[in-house]
Amino acid sequence: DGGITQSPKYLFRKEGQNVTLSCEQNLNHDAMYWYRQDPGQGLRLIYYSQIVNDFQKGDIAEGYSVSREKKESFPLTVTSAQKNPTAFYLCASSIVAGREQYFGPGTRLTVT
Amino acid sequence: AQSVTQLGSHVSVSEGALVLLRCNYSSSVPPYLFWYVQYPNQGLQLLLKYTSAATLVKGINGFEAEFKKSETSFHLTKPSAHMSDAAEYFCAVSGYGSSNTGKLIFGQGTTLQVKP
Repeated sequence: DGGITQSPKYLFRKEGQNVTLSCEQNLNHDAMYWYRQDPGQGLRLIYYSQIVNDFQKGDIAEGYSVSREKKESFPLTVTSAQKNPTAFYLCASSIVAGREQYFGPGTRLTVT
Repeated sequence: AQSVTQLGSHVSVSEGALVLLRCNYSSSVPPYLFWYVQYPNQGLQLLLKYTSAATLVKGINGFEAEFKKSETSFHLTKPSAHMSDAAEYFCAVSGYGSSNTGKLIFGQGTTLQVKP
């Protein structure tokens, strides 16, 4: 059954800690994306990767880091430098960059 | 800058009434256009897409959208609203140019409320 998985669904961390959010896809898609969603603010692009071993900053990359060592995986690390990390994080993939994106179920991160 | 505008952050309809969610986009090249639906605490689900074939696009759950180049619009419609249609809807356009190629540009979303 093809799709995108994000784990965990809910994540709680203390301020000052780095945390890594998982995103895996078995759709054989080249491109992958990370978005942040806050109430009333729509989707904001954090990072995206058009191909393995390459990624670009999105609109709000500060305080985040990513890697793309495998086609199937695009983990996002929320570092302690991110001032307001509490949010709903969505991962997506597309067969090639610029085409329709398919989204995972999201991870809700709460930092206190 | 490339943009997508969804007119009305909240739309309320009665069950059985027509649903019309408006989307206008800016693009100087033939765009790909998309509508997504999001239920609370879930990811976005693709409703339908326009990729330069037929201008009237049919999607899932009875939704359809019409691409109108002269109006730069891609409004989403459904003839008869169902309670299960209550959700947030996002319009998106394929990005172009050095800063947007490879991305989708999303609108701010429209929350659809369906009243019994």
